Parts: sequence; structure tokens; C-alpha cells
Amino acid sequence: DIQMTQSPSFLSASVGDRVTINCKASQNINKYLNWYQQKLGEAPKLLIYNTNNLQTGIPSRFSGSGSGTDYTLTISSLQPEDVATYFCLQHSSRYTFGAGTKLELK
Amino acid sequence: AVQLVESGGGLVQPKESLKISCAASGFTFSNAAMYWVRQAPGKGLEWVARIRTKPNNYATYYADSVKGRFTISRDDSKSMVYLQMDNLKTEDTAMYYCTAGILRIPFAYWGQGTLVTVSS
Repeated sequence: DIQMTQSPSFLSASVGDRVTINCKASQNINKYLNWYQQKLGEAPKLLIYNTNNLQTGIPSRFSGSGSGTDYTLTISSLQPEDVATYFCLQHSSRYTFGAGTKLELK
Repeated sequence: AVQLVESGGGLVQPKESLKISCAASGFTFSNAAMYWVRQAPGKGLEWVARIRTKPNNYATYYADSVKGRFTISRDDSKSMVYLQMDNLKTEDTAMYYCTAGILRIPFAYWGQGTLVTVSS
């Protein structure tokens, strides 16, 4: 099975900061990588699908990049409403989630 | 708007059975692959099961941890998906989320989850 290593586990940043979250796959996942945001007590929400495709309705400050085994979610200018846990999902071979990154405001 | 509403969770004893449900609305249910994902307390997310659409013969797939014990099914006439869980173990304790794959994007939409607790 493909393993996903997500980093960092915790992240503290200020409003306006550029934030990056990484996921590394144990083998090539051919860009079959989604990113999700989950706020406390809410259902997870799809942000980015297939590495770099912004889901409808998601602000353009969110973007994704990567290839092969290494993928990144970037928030270009952190907003207070972005406080949440973020996690990745590979869907190249069955399905594996990253362990999550808890993002808080500094 | 897309809505997925899970129900049927609760407290059961080990080796017992439980069936949880998910009511879908806001999209063409019959065209969507459906999935169950779970999250144990303090742990990460784990894919549990997947069911495809009628043109794909309602094919089903399971995580190794639940294969032979859990059964996913769907009723397109009611826009419902189900997870029958048999021979439950304490390690099956988790929040169970229903998710929909739409326009070939897996896990595009998620419900709020239903909590299943397996304990004696």
C-alpha cells in the first residue's frame, strides 16, 4: 500500500503569511493527489483535486503543486478563516490519507 | 447544494452488527461513486469502502481491515448508501463519514459523520 507522509503536523502562522504544507508518497502517485480542509466540528471540504485543480468556490489563495512523490499545498496569504486541519489524499492506488496538519494563527 | 447526511451510529458490543446510512441530495446520485471513510479518536482518516455505479455493475471494494466483515450497498431510487458492519471490533470505533465522488473526482463531498462506538 502507498504511504503518505504529511508535514508539518502543526503550523503556527500570522495573517498574511505564505503557508506551505507538504505530502510525500512512498511511490509515484502520478498527480492523483487531493487536498482537504476540515474546520472543527465540520465536514471535510475539498480544496484541490489532482494536484493543482482548484475546486469550485475555493478562494484563489489556495493552490497546489507537485509531481511524482512530492506535493505541496500553498496558502498565499493566510486569512483568519483558514484556521483548520488540512490533509492530503492519494487516489492513485486505492486510497491513503496524510495524517493532517493543524494550522493555527500566531 | 450537495448534502450528505449520515445516520445510524451508536454504541454496540464487540461481535455485534450495526448498519449505518447516508442520505444524499443535490446531485445526480446514480452517477456518483460513493465511499465510506472513518476516523478513530485521535487518529487519521482511513478509507473503508467504495461502491461504483450501475454501469460499473455496482462493483465494491474494501480496505483490508474490514474485508469480510463490512458490506457497502446503495439504493439509487432513494439516493441512499449503506454500510453494514458485522462482527464489530473495538478498533472499529470511529466517526464514519459518507463521501461522494462526482465528475470523476473521488471524495469530492463529505457528510458530517456518524459516531460508532464498539465497547463492552
